[in-house]
Amino acid sequence: EVQLVESGGGLVQPGGSLRLSCAASGFTFSSYWMHWVRQAPGKGLVWVSRINSDGSSTSYADSVKGRFTISRDNAKNTLYLQMNSLRAEDTAVYYCASDAFDIWGQGTMVTVSS
Amino acid sequence: DIQMTQSPSTLSASVGDRVTITCRASQSISSWLAWYQQKPGKAPKLLIYKASSLESGVPSRFSGSGSGTEFTLTISSLQPDDFATYYCQQYNRIFTFGPGTKVDIK
Repeated sequence: EVQLVESGGGLVQPGGSLRLSCAASGFTFSSYWMHWVRQAPGKGLVWVSRINSDGSSTSYADSVKGRFTISRDNAKNTLYLQMNSLRAEDTAVYYCASDAFDIWGQGTMVTVSS
Repeated sequence: DIQMTQSPSTLSASVGDRVTITCRASQSISSWLAWYQQKPGKAPKLLIYKASSLESGVPSRFSGSGSGTEFTLTISSLQPDDFATYYCQQYNRIFTFGPGTKVDIK
């Protein structure tokens, strides 16, 4: 079964850090570009970041550039999002998705609050 | 940056109705547009890609059209499972989602 499973979300204080993981199975993860997309409570979808298949090229939304880092470990079939200097406005459900956005994880909730 | 708008923001309809949602881009995106359905507490589901191509497994009552800056998603006969929020997304330059259209029961 093709599947993406996110983990690592939780409650963090403003200015803190968190690393999200996305475990892939059922497809050749190392061949796919991957994305992170977030959704604040009651709001719409916002693209966050993208990484190419071998991890050599990344892109970020302006709102997270310089604070978030996307990476991957193809040997472990896992995508990561390192989030630093977190702000209240980063509070959201974070989804990982495949390059064509045809495969999505179930999401992991990140709450930034004191 | 490319901005996306959708209309209406909310649409009240009945089972069996023909429903049309419009999405507009702030500049031409050719046909690099996708449509998603999202239900509360769930991940988005890809319905349409490249403006008019139906994703595998998606019912044929869903269709997409348009190019350039104006696009539409049509549900030919609304079914109970179709009450959800629909988002368009451009992928011509980076990625931008529209604000969403909620389809609820009339």
